[in-house]
Amino acid sequence: NAGVTQTPKFQVLKTGQSMTLQCAQDMNHNSMYWYRQDPGMGLRLIYYSASEGTTDKGEVPNGYNVSRLNKREFSLRLESAAPSQTSVYFCASSATGAGLGYTFGSGTRLTVV
Amino acid sequence: QQQVKQSPQSLIVQKGGISIINCAYENTAFDYFPWYQQFPGKGPALLIAIRPDVSEKKEGRFTISFNKSAKQFSLHIMDSQPGDSATYFCAALYNFNKFYFGSGTKLNVKP
Repeated sequence: NAGVTQTPKFQVLKTGQSMTLQCAQDMNHNSMYWYRQDPGMGLRLIYYSASEGTTDKGEVPNGYNVSRLNKREFSLRLESAAPSQTSVYFCASSATGAGLGYTFGSGTRLTVV
Repeated sequence: QQQVKQSPQSLIVQKGGISIINCAYENTAFDYFPWYQQFPGKGPALLIAIRPDVSEKKEGRFTISFNKSAKQFSLHIMDSQPGDSATYFCAALYNFNKFYFGSGTKLNVKP
């Protein structure tokens, strides 16, 4: 099925470890996004990529880096994980900007101990 | 500071009743207002959306009411069903590129 695929679905990290969350879409969308979801906070934008070759910071970029590898793939890296980064991470994509809404992946549940 | 404020946090409605979720915003540059529905373990999915030049949009049992002067919009679910039990997020689009989301409302429709 067409859509946004995130890997892994679950991950437990120790404080200070690094990891990369992977996201790929097969809808030929130009724009891709990383959000984190925390209870009572809704979804907060970490980074986004309006088009291949560009990335920009969102509301909560500290502690994260991103790479838009090609039009399909947008990865999120935690260089030195902290317990405050325990969250559910969602990748999303949209055709042109976000005017038609996002398509979200099913999320990665990350726990940092 | 939350750009979009959503209420209530949780809502219990009897089957057949009307569910109402409210959102408010301050930034007049927002120009597109969708609602997303999220089931446990899944990503949010676009439910219905409205642009600020329209005061109401209806799709089946779901209606968005939009009050531009008050900077408020709401989701109404008519004839609520147990299958509607989910978390609902309002959102507002900025600069054609970024959505700001409300904090979410967990809806429980009792049979």
